[in-house]
Amino acid sequence: EADIYQTPRYLVIGTGKKITLECSQTMGHDKMYWYQQDPGMELHLIHYSYGVNSTEKGDLSSESTVSRIRTEHFPLTLESARPSHTSQYLCASSDQARYEQYFGPGTRLTVT
Amino acid sequence: KNQVEQSPQSLIILEGKNCTLQCNYTVSPFSNLRWYKQDTGRGPVSLTIMTFSENTKSNGRYTATLDADTKQSSLHITASQLSDSASYICVVSDRGSTLGRLYFGRGTQLTVWP
Repeated sequence: EADIYQTPRYLVIGTGKKITLECSQTMGHDKMYWYQQDPGMELHLIHYSYGVNSTEKGDLSSESTVSRIRTEHFPLTLESARPSHTSQYLCASSDQARYEQYFGPGTRLTVT
Repeated sequence: KNQVEQSPQSLIILEGKNCTLQCNYTVSPFSNLRWYKQDTGRGPVSLTIMTFSENTKSNGRYTATLDADTKQSSLHITASQLSDSASYICVVSDRGSTLGRLYFGRGTQLTVWP
């Protein structure tokens, strides 16, 4: 079982609120990722990081931002949540040598 | 356009039966193909990873095959159990970038009935 954690698991908030989704891993992995997944649809990469102070946008445009100040921590922030942000957000990490990506349990976000 | 297509979209089988899920891809260049299991409300968990030179890999009751020439893969589940009910996602990685970009299929939703 991978040691990658996400909090909160479920979040219901009102439009306009600022939120931060937490992701942390204890495996010392350099690469970390954020994916967005709607029901029945494929995962879309929205952000990734190669290491501390490195962040890049993924394939799917997202209004969220990320930071990587510590190796183990990769939080995602939405400054002003909207109903269109309602989705499941999955965090993942991988090391340099392996093909494997380890996923967290996800955060199910609902914006009303 | 790099794509990963999975079939069927959903499948219902009785406990104890076998089933086979299909994955066709157009990703090029090819690096590796992975099968993930995703339980409802959870993150995906890796079942198998196969590189170009591998054509079969097993993980318990799960056996994946890869035909890199026809760009097809299958996941065979033997003696299904209720806990096999989940979405099974095929993921293909290219080697065109240092990121090793991943292309995700939409998954096959498997339901195992008692």
